[in-house]
Amino acid sequence: AQTVTQSQPEMSVQEAETVTLSCTYDTSESDYYLFWYKQPPSRQMILVIRQEAYKQQNATENRFSVNFQKAAKSFSLKISDSQLGDAAMYFCAYDRADKLIFGTGTRLQVFP
Amino acid sequence: GAVVSQHPSWVICKSGTSVKIECRSLDFQATTMFWYRQFPKQSLMLMATSNEGSKATYEQGVEKDKFLINHASLTLSTLTVTSAHPEDSSFYICSGDQRGSSYNEQFFGPGTRLTVL
Repeated sequence: AQTVTQSQPEMSVQEAETVTLSCTYDTSESDYYLFWYKQPPSRQMILVIRQEAYKQQNATENRFSVNFQKAAKSFSLKISDSQLGDAAMYFCAYDRADKLIFGTGTRLQVFP
Repeated sequence: GAVVSQHPSWVICKSGTSVKIECRSLDFQATTMFWYRQFPKQSLMLMATSNEGSKATYEQGVEKDKFLINHASLTLSTLTVTSAHPEDSSFYICSGDQRGSSYNEQFFGPGTRLTVL
């Protein structure tokens, strides 16, 4: 069975600083996708970043980047130059066979 | 990005009644639509997967007779909560994946908050 673990229920960061959210997953597959989704107070799920497992290069989207360690089954999200608008729940998700399995989420607070 | 709408955004109903939630992909055709349930301060749990014109596939533990899913077209899926009870109160979110997309990206609706009295 595939599981996704986010060990940090809450994190906080000062505006303009950098924060890293952790995620580990368990799978026996070699080809899959990993995602980070953001859920602000509006509850709308927003895709932050996507990583394909067969790609060794870490994905980057502007201020968001991942550290993908396939052997360790680790997929952390780094947010650089944090902004007040980054405050939200962040969910790590594993995708195989078109089904998303979400982690329990990390609530990120951003302080001015 | 692709847009998914849900209607209604919130609904309050009495115990024992049925409630229908619509999920529409507005600017793309969804090969597959997904229904999730999210309890307060918890993660999203996949309830079922549906393909246009086919019966939905339900996840283990989800009662298919209580949560009826109809995927009538490539842009519309409905979830009907039959004989709703207070424990069905939750936030229901749908998503669709874009037909022909090379990525396994799901586009999410804004969710529907169901409160059963």
